[in-house]
Amino acid sequence: NAGVTQTPKFQVLKTGQSMTLQCAQDMNHEYMSWYRQDPGMGLRLIHYSVGAGITDQGEVPNGYNVSRSTTEDFPLRLLSAAPSQTSVYFCASSQGRQGGETQYFGPGTRLLVL
Amino acid sequence: AQTVTQSQPEMSVQEAETVTLSCTYDTSESDYYLFWYKQPPSRQMILVIRQEAYKQQNATENRFSVNFQKAAKSFSLKISDSQLGDAAMYFCAYRSAFWVTPLVFGKGTRLSVIA
Repeated sequence: NAGVTQTPKFQVLKTGQSMTLQCAQDMNHEYMSWYRQDPGMGLRLIHYSVGAGITDQGEVPNGYNVSRSTTEDFPLRLLSAAPSQTSVYFCASSQGRQGGETQYFGPGTRLLVL
Repeated sequence: AQTVTQSQPEMSVQEAETVTLSCTYDTSESDYYLFWYKQPPSRQMILVIRQEAYKQQNATENRFSVNFQKAAKSFSLKISDSQLGDAAMYFCAYRSAFWVTPLVFGKGTRLSVIA
Protein backbone atom coordinates (compact mmCIF):
# COMPACT_ATOMS: atom_id res chain seq x y z
CA ASN A 1 0.00 0.00 0.00
CA ALA A 2 1.16 3.52 -0.80
CA GLY A 3 -0.91 4.85 2.12
CA VAL A 4 -1.90 8.51 1.80
CA THR A 5 -0.25 10.38 -1.04
CA GLN A 6 -0.28 14.11 -1.72
CA THR A 7 0.77 16.07 -4.75
CA PRO A 8 2.49 18.38 -5.30
CA LYS A 9 5.10 18.45 -2.53
CA PHE A 10 5.71 22.17 -2.99
CA GLN A 11 3.94 24.87 -4.99
CA VAL A 12 4.35 28.59 -5.50
CA LEU A 13 1.30 30.57 -6.57
CA LYS A 14 0.58 34.18 -7.30
CA THR A 15 -2.28 35.93 -5.57
CA GLY A 16 -5.54 35.23 -7.39
CA GLN A 17 -4.43 32.00 -9.03
CA SER A 18 -6.36 28.81 -8.47
CA MET A 19 -5.05 25.32 -7.94
CA THR A 20 -5.98 21.88 -6.67
CA LEU A 21 -4.05 19.96 -4.04
CA GLN A 22 -4.42 16.26 -4.65
CA CYS A 23 -4.89 13.62 -1.98
CA ALA A 24 -5.36 9.90 -2.55
CA GLN A 25 -5.44 6.84 -0.34
CA ASP A 26 -5.41 3.18 -1.33
CA MET A 27 -6.66 1.73 1.95
CA ASN A 28 -10.41 1.99 1.20
CA HIS A 29 -10.82 4.43 4.06
CA GLU A 30 -14.20 6.08 4.64
CA TYR A 31 -13.01 9.15 6.47
CA MET A 32 -10.73 11.76 4.90
CA SER A 33 -9.81 15.26 5.99
CA TRP A 34 -7.66 18.26 5.15
CA TYR A 35 -5.67 20.26 7.70
CA ARG A 36 -3.45 23.27 7.42
CA GLN A 37 -0.43 23.81 9.65
CA ASP A 38 0.84 27.27 10.43
CA PRO A 39 3.70 28.16 12.80
CA GLY A 40 2.51 28.25 16.40
CA MET A 41 -1.03 27.21 15.46
CA GLY A 42 -0.94 23.42 15.38
CA LEU A 43 -3.09 21.73 12.75
CA ARG A 44 -6.48 23.19 11.94
CA LEU A 45 -9.21 21.38 10.07
CA ILE A 46 -10.33 22.78 6.72
CA HIS A 47 -12.83 20.22 5.40
CA TYR A 48 -13.60 16.59 5.95
CA SER A 49 -15.56 13.75 4.34
CA VAL A 50 -17.20 10.68 5.83
CA GLY A 51 -17.67 8.95 2.49
CA ALA A 52 -18.06 9.47 -1.23
CA GLY A 53 -20.45 12.33 -1.91
CA ILE A 54 -20.44 13.60 1.69
CA THR A 55 -18.34 16.54 2.84
CA ASP A 56 -18.48 19.06 5.65
CA GLN A 57 -16.67 22.17 6.81
CA GLY A 58 -14.08 22.31 9.51
CA GLU A 59 -12.66 25.18 11.53
CA VAL A 60 -11.12 27.21 8.66
CA PRO A 61 -13.05 26.45 5.42
CA ASN A 62 -13.11 29.91 3.82
CA GLY A 63 -11.34 30.06 0.46
CA TYR A 64 -11.31 26.30 -0.02
CA ASN A 65 -13.60 23.84 -1.79
CA VAL A 66 -13.68 20.06 -1.66
CA SER A 67 -15.56 17.23 -3.29
CA ARG A 68 -15.45 13.47 -2.85
CA SER A 69 -16.55 11.64 -5.97
CA THR A 70 -14.64 8.45 -5.15
CA THR A 71 -13.55 6.72 -1.95
CA GLU A 72 -9.90 7.09 -2.91
CA ASP A 73 -9.60 10.79 -3.77
CA PHE A 74 -10.24 13.96 -1.81
CA PRO A 75 -8.92 17.03 -3.67
CA LEU A 76 -8.70 20.47 -2.07
CA ARG A 77 -9.31 23.44 -4.34
CA LEU A 78 -8.10 26.97 -3.77
CA LEU A 79 -10.38 29.18 -5.81
CA SER A 80 -8.40 32.43 -5.66
CA ALA A 81 -5.18 32.09 -3.69
CA ALA A 82 -4.31 34.68 -1.06
CA PRO A 83 -1.04 35.18 0.89
CA SER A 84 -2.94 34.10 4.05
CA GLN A 85 -3.21 30.64 2.50
CA THR A 86 0.55 30.18 2.63
CA SER A 87 0.83 27.08 4.78
CA VAL A 88 1.61 23.39 4.90
CA TYR A 89 -1.39 21.26 4.01
CA PHE A 90 -1.95 17.75 5.29
CA CYS A 91 -4.45 15.18 4.14
CA ALA A 92 -5.44 12.37 6.50
CA SER A 93 -7.63 9.28 6.35
CA SER A 94 -9.00 6.59 8.63
CA GLN A 95 -10.90 3.37 8.11
CA GLY A 96 -14.16 4.50 9.62
CA ARG A 97 -15.67 7.12 11.82
CA GLN A 98 -14.79 5.77 15.24
CA GLY A 99 -12.97 8.23 17.40
CA GLY A 100 -10.12 5.92 18.36
CA GLU A 101 -9.15 4.82 14.88
CA THR A 102 -5.69 5.65 13.69
CA GLN A 103 -5.57 8.53 11.26
CA TYR A 104 -2.96 8.19 8.56
CA PHE A 105 -1.38 11.40 7.35
CA GLY A 106 0.09 12.21 3.98
CA PRO A 107 3.55 13.81 3.71
CA GLY A 108 2.15 17.32 3.31
CA THR A 109 2.12 19.97 0.59
CA ARG A 110 3.95 23.22 1.21
CA LEU A 111 2.20 26.13 -0.47
CA LEU A 112 3.63 29.61 -0.89
CA VAL A 113 1.34 32.37 -2.16
CA LEU A 114 3.08 35.53 -3.30
CA ALA B 1 -16.31 23.07 21.41
CA GLN B 2 -13.33 21.09 22.58
CA THR B 3 -9.98 22.77 23.04
CA VAL B 4 -6.51 21.39 23.60
CA THR B 5 -3.78 23.41 25.28
CA GLN B 6 -0.06 22.74 25.29
CA SER B 7 1.52 25.30 27.58
CA GLN B 8 5.17 24.54 26.75
CA PRO B 9 6.13 25.86 23.30
CA GLU B 10 9.66 24.46 23.69
CA MET B 11 11.37 21.89 25.89
CA SER B 12 14.82 20.39 25.98
CA VAL B 13 16.21 17.22 27.50
CA GLN B 14 19.62 15.62 27.83
CA GLU B 15 20.12 12.38 25.97
CA ALA B 16 19.17 9.35 28.13
CA GLU B 17 17.15 11.54 30.53
CA THR B 18 13.38 11.69 31.00
CA VAL B 19 11.13 14.52 29.91
CA THR B 20 7.42 15.19 30.38
CA LEU B 21 5.31 17.19 27.94
CA SER B 22 2.10 18.73 29.25
CA CYS B 23 -1.34 18.81 27.68
CA THR B 24 -4.70 19.90 29.05
CA TYR B 25 -8.03 19.80 27.31
CA ASP B 26 -11.55 21.01 27.77
CA THR B 27 -14.63 18.95 26.98
CA SER B 28 -18.09 18.17 28.31
CA GLU B 29 -18.14 14.70 26.76
CA SER B 30 -17.74 11.57 28.80
CA ASP B 31 -16.00 9.38 26.24
CA TYR B 32 -13.25 10.45 23.91
CA TYR B 33 -9.77 9.63 22.74
CA LEU B 34 -6.53 11.47 23.33
CA PHE B 35 -3.45 11.19 21.18
CA TRP B 36 0.15 12.29 21.02
CA TYR B 37 1.60 12.81 17.56
CA LYS B 38 5.26 13.35 16.71
CA GLN B 39 6.34 15.51 13.78
CA PRO B 40 10.07 15.24 12.98
CA PRO B 41 11.79 17.64 10.56
CA SER B 42 10.53 15.49 7.67
CA ARG B 43 7.04 16.86 8.53
CA GLN B 44 5.50 13.39 8.60
CA MET B 45 2.86 13.06 11.34
CA ILE B 46 3.51 9.93 13.39
CA LEU B 47 1.13 8.56 16.01
CA VAL B 48 3.03 8.00 19.25
CA ILE B 49 0.37 6.90 21.68
CA ARG B 50 -3.40 6.76 22.15
CA GLN B 51 -5.60 6.76 25.26
CA GLU B 52 -9.33 6.12 25.58
CA ALA B 53 -10.99 8.14 28.29
CA TYR B 54 -12.90 5.13 29.63
CA LYS B 55 -9.75 3.18 30.32
CA GLN B 56 -8.24 3.79 33.73
CA GLN B 57 -4.87 2.36 32.85
CA ASN B 58 -2.36 4.73 31.37
CA ALA B 59 -1.20 3.81 27.87
CA THR B 60 2.41 2.80 27.29
CA GLU B 61 4.40 2.29 24.09
CA ASN B 62 7.99 1.31 24.74
CA ARG B 63 9.77 4.46 26.07
CA PHE B 64 6.60 6.56 25.78
CA SER B 65 3.94 6.64 28.45
CA VAL B 66 1.12 8.95 29.44
CA ASN B 67 -0.25 10.25 32.70
CA PHE B 68 -3.97 10.57 32.09
CA GLN B 69 -5.88 12.45 34.78
CA LYS B 70 -9.51 12.51 33.62
CA ALA B 71 -10.88 14.67 36.40
CA ALA B 72 -8.16 17.25 35.91
CA LYS B 73 -8.45 16.94 32.10
CA SER B 74 -4.74 16.46 31.85
CA PHE B 75 -2.82 14.19 29.47
CA SER B 76 0.95 14.43 29.74
CA LEU B 77 3.51 12.47 27.73
CA LYS B 78 6.61 11.04 29.37
CA ILE B 79 9.58 10.09 27.24
CA SER B 80 12.12 7.92 29.04
CA ASP B 81 15.73 7.37 28.01
CA SER B 82 15.51 10.20 25.48
CA GLN B 83 17.27 9.67 22.17
CA LEU B 84 18.45 12.11 19.53
CA GLY B 85 15.73 10.78 17.24
CA ASP B 86 13.07 11.97 19.68
CA ALA B 87 13.77 15.57 18.71
CA ALA B 88 10.58 16.79 17.02
CA MET B 89 7.37 18.76 17.42
CA TYR B 90 4.87 16.92 19.59
CA PHE B 91 1.16 17.53 19.25
CA CYS B 92 -1.54 16.56 21.69
CA ALA B 93 -4.92 15.85 20.07
CA TYR B 94 -8.50 15.10 21.08
CA ARG B 95 -11.28 13.26 19.28
CA SER B 96 -14.83 12.52 20.38
CA ALA B 97 -15.84 8.88 20.66
CA PHE B 98 -19.47 9.61 19.91
CA TRP B 99 -19.61 11.79 16.87
CA VAL B 100 -18.01 11.90 13.47
CA THR B 101 -15.58 14.61 14.37
CA PRO B 102 -12.05 15.37 13.38
CA LEU B 103 -8.98 15.56 15.54
CA VAL B 104 -8.57 18.78 17.53
CA PHE B 105 -4.90 19.63 17.96
CA GLY B 106 -2.93 21.64 20.44
CA LYS B 107 -0.36 24.12 19.18
CA GLY B 108 2.56 21.80 19.78
CA THR B 109 5.73 21.53 21.85
CA ARG B 110 9.11 21.56 20.18
CA LEU B 111 11.43 19.07 21.90
CA SER B 112 15.19 19.35 21.56
CA VAL B 113 17.48 16.53 22.66
CA ILE B 114 20.98 17.54 23.77
CA ALA B 115 23.79 15.06 23.25
